[in-house]
Amino acid sequence: NAGVTQTPKFQVLKTGQSMTLQCAQDMNHEYMSWYRQDPGMGLRLIHYSVGAGITDQGEVPNGYNVSRSTTEDFPLRLLSAAPSQTSVYFCASSYSAGAHTEAFFGQGTRLTVV
Amino acid sequence: RKEVEQDPGPFNVPEGATVAFNCTYSNSASQSFFWYRQDCRKEPKLLMSVYSSGNEDGRFTAQLNRASQYISLLIRDSKLSDSATYLCVVNNAGNMLTFGGGTRLMVKP
Repeated sequence: NAGVTQTPKFQVLKTGQSMTLQCAQDMNHEYMSWYRQDPGMGLRLIHYSVGAGITDQGEVPNGYNVSRSTTEDFPLRLLSAAPSQTSVYFCASSYSAGAHTEAFFGQGTRLTVV
Repeated sequence: RKEVEQDPGPFNVPEGATVAFNCTYSNSASQSFFWYRQDCRKEPKLLMSVYSSGNEDGRFTAQLNRASQYISLLIRDSKLSDSATYLCVVNNAGNMLTFGGGTRLMVKP
């Protein structure tokens, strides 16, 4: 019963490097999203997708790209890492975009940019 | 002003105590409301949805006041295992969840 799986769990990058954070869900959820969590600031939405082939920007999209080629996968790409992107990243999925739908989160990726 | 505001705490309470958290939100068009629980270095998990009529789940009671735009969570008979950060979450449209900064609860023996 995997749910939402994120890889890697930890990553250290040098400034300017690029990388992709992987997110996969096996619940056939249409809605997927990426958040970052910084101390005292709660989770902030980076990008989201309401289905395969459809993505949109959230509150803090700059410096990140996403794509949704399949229902299961929603990778987040850091184009040129900056120290300000040091954070904990969570991927989430839900059955629909409905108002009372529960969001399920992956275990998070702790990223440090030096 | 943050869209969803919470007192960060920490709230330090003894076992068996009753503790209440409040949360305010700024968007009067917000559609649905939740409390999520987040343990240290773990992912958030849904604790309960919050309905206009108020709802209860065991020791937990959630209330919504749309006129004043605040949400509350009451925990009765606190357990050590209730120690966590409680996140107030608002859904404005199409599952665009907006999170408060969280309230940290520490229940002590």
